[in-house]
Amino acid sequence: EAQVTQNPRYLITVTGKKLTVTCSQNMNHEYMSWYRQDPGLGLRQIYYSMNVEVTDKGDVPEGYKVSRKEKRNFPLILESPSPNQTSLYFCASSFRDRGRYGYTFGSGTRLTVV
Amino acid sequence: AQTVTQSQPEMSVQEAETVTLSCTYDTSESDYYLFWYKQPPSRQMILVIRQEAYKQQNATENRFSVNFQKAAKSFSLKISDSQLGDAAMYFCAYATGANSKLTFGKGITLSVRP
Repeated sequence: EAQVTQNPRYLITVTGKKLTVTCSQNMNHEYMSWYRQDPGLGLRQIYYSMNVEVTDKGDVPEGYKVSRKEKRNFPLILESPSPNQTSLYFCASSFRDRGRYGYTFGSGTRLTVV
Repeated sequence: AQTVTQSQPEMSVQEAETVTLSCTYDTSESDYYLFWYKQPPSRQMILVIRQEAYKQQNATENRFSVNFQKAAKSFSLKISDSQLGDAAMYFCAYATGANSKLTFGKGITLSVRP
């Protein structure tokens, strides 16, 4: 089954403790991205990757890192989480099919930083 | 910069009735894609419908259809014969291509009254 797999689904951590949210897709998509969802703000892009070893900042990159060492994986790293990074996070990859395209989302990660 | 505006935070509809969710966007691009996503309480982002800007014909998917007014930069979603399972948050989104950022509106919470 074609999918984007995110882990964990829920995470509670303390301020300053490094964490990684994993994202993996099995569709050989080149473009992957991370979004955060906050009430009243919709989803905003954090980072994206056009292909292996090619990453760039989105609209809200502060406090986050990413890497793309393999095409299928695109982890999101919070080196020193702070309470303002409490949010719902989504990983997504994009596809093109006969001139049409769309995005496949992971199931989301609810992160709470205390 | 592209922006997507959903001005109504909440709407309610009687079961079996029709409801229209509004969305406007701002762009200087001539070629782009528009999406409506549904987010039920499970948090999953589910693609409802997609519209290519170069197509004059409005997209339809079963009970869901759009009214795409390119000159007015308007992209509303009509849900016919509303069902209890349609209750969710709905996001309007814009993208310029397969390898590009999705820009989301703030979302609208739709409730369905039995």
